[in-house]
Parts: sequence; C-alpha cells; structure tokens
Amino acid sequence: GIQVEQSPPDLILQEGANSTLRCNFSDSVNNLQWFHQNPWGQLINLFYIPSGTKQNGRLSATTVATERYSLLYISSSQTTDSGVYFCAVGGAQAGTALIFGKGTTLSVSS
Amino acid sequence: NAGVTQTPKFQVLKTGQSMTLQCAQDMNHNSMYWYRQDPGMGLRLIYYSASEGTTDKGEVPNGYNVSRLNKREFSLRLESAAPSQTSVYFCASAPGVIGYTFGSGTRLTVV
Repeated sequence: GIQVEQSPPDLILQEGANSTLRCNFSDSVNNLQWFHQNPWGQLINLFYIPSGTKQNGRLSATTVATERYSLLYISSSQTTDSGVYFCAVGGAQAGTALIFGKGTTLSVSS
Repeated sequence: NAGVTQTPKFQVLKTGQSMTLQCAQDMNHNSMYWYRQDPGMGLRLIYYSASEGTTDKGEVPNGYNVSRLNKREFSLRLESAAPSQTSVYFCASAPGVIGYTFGSGTRLTVV
C-alpha cells in the first residue's frame, strides 16, 4: 500500500517562530489532506490540497503532486498551534479511506 | 448537531473479554471509518464503510469486526480482547472525499 512519511517527527518552537512540516508519499494520490490534533485529542481538518497552494490565516499548504510531497507552513506560531499535525492521502472517489502518516508533534512555548 | 458520537469514552477490559464500540453520526454522511491511534504510529485504518450496506478491511483489521447497522451507525467489535488492542479508537464520517468529522475517541485498555 501507499506509504506516507512525515518530517520532522517532533518540533519545538518559541511563540512567533515560523515552521515547515513535510509529507512525502510513495505513489500518486488524488486526495491529500492535513489535520491537526489538539492536546485534548480532537482532530480537525485543516486543508484538502491534492495539488497547488492554499492559505487559511497563518497556515498555508502546498502540494507538488508530480514530486509526491506536500508542505504545511505555520507562520507566527502561537501556543494554540501545539498538537500533532497529520498528513493523510487517499483516492479521488467518495468513500475511499484516508491513510495517515505518523504525524509531526509541535510544541509551541510562550 | 452532535456530529460523531462515540461510546464509551473509556473502557478497561480483561484479556479475552468482548465488547462493542459504538459510533453514530447525525450528518447524513455516506461513509464511516474506524481508526486506532497508538503512540508514534499515527492513525491506522481498521475498517471502513463507503456506504450503507458495505464494509471493507483497512490496514489493521485482524481481531476486529464491524457492522454498518444503518446509515447513522457503525460499530466496532472486539470478540476476544488482547493487550495489543490497547489503544485510542476514533470513528469518523464523511459525505464524500472531503469533510471528515471525527468523534472524540474511545480510550481502551486491555489488561
């Protein structure tokens, strides 16, 4: 099956710093999403980004499908950004399941 | 809207016991999923149901069974629990390719 590799596994930042999280995948995908899991375990979808670039406030994401990687940028990090960030990939058809990477654990301190 | 509701939130089982994890969604989503989360392993897909009446195995289906009871409910059953099944279990639903909504999780300990 498809492999999803995320790096770095852990990241420690001071508030206000910028960061880049990377997701590599082993095969072509038509569906790539980024999720954030907060310290209380809640999982929230951040981006659906099979290709191209999207921005939402301080977060942005870029996927280069031909080179099989995606990047999540966090600018001016805040303590509320702490948690685990997951990249997940899947097919283009409704009902195909997402396969998750192991995540990047981000800790932002004030 | 409640979204995706999982019960119970916490459970301790003895090795060999059986139990069913319940999941219900009120968003009229077609697809439902069960994942388990272990430290350092991310979320791994156990089973999923693309639509009512269908179920398929995911990455780690051994030791589990599922039932898509109706469009709203998707249950996960452990017939004979093992310590290796100690984990946090998440149910999710989605209307299509995007729009995943996750439940708050069930923390299961098998002793």
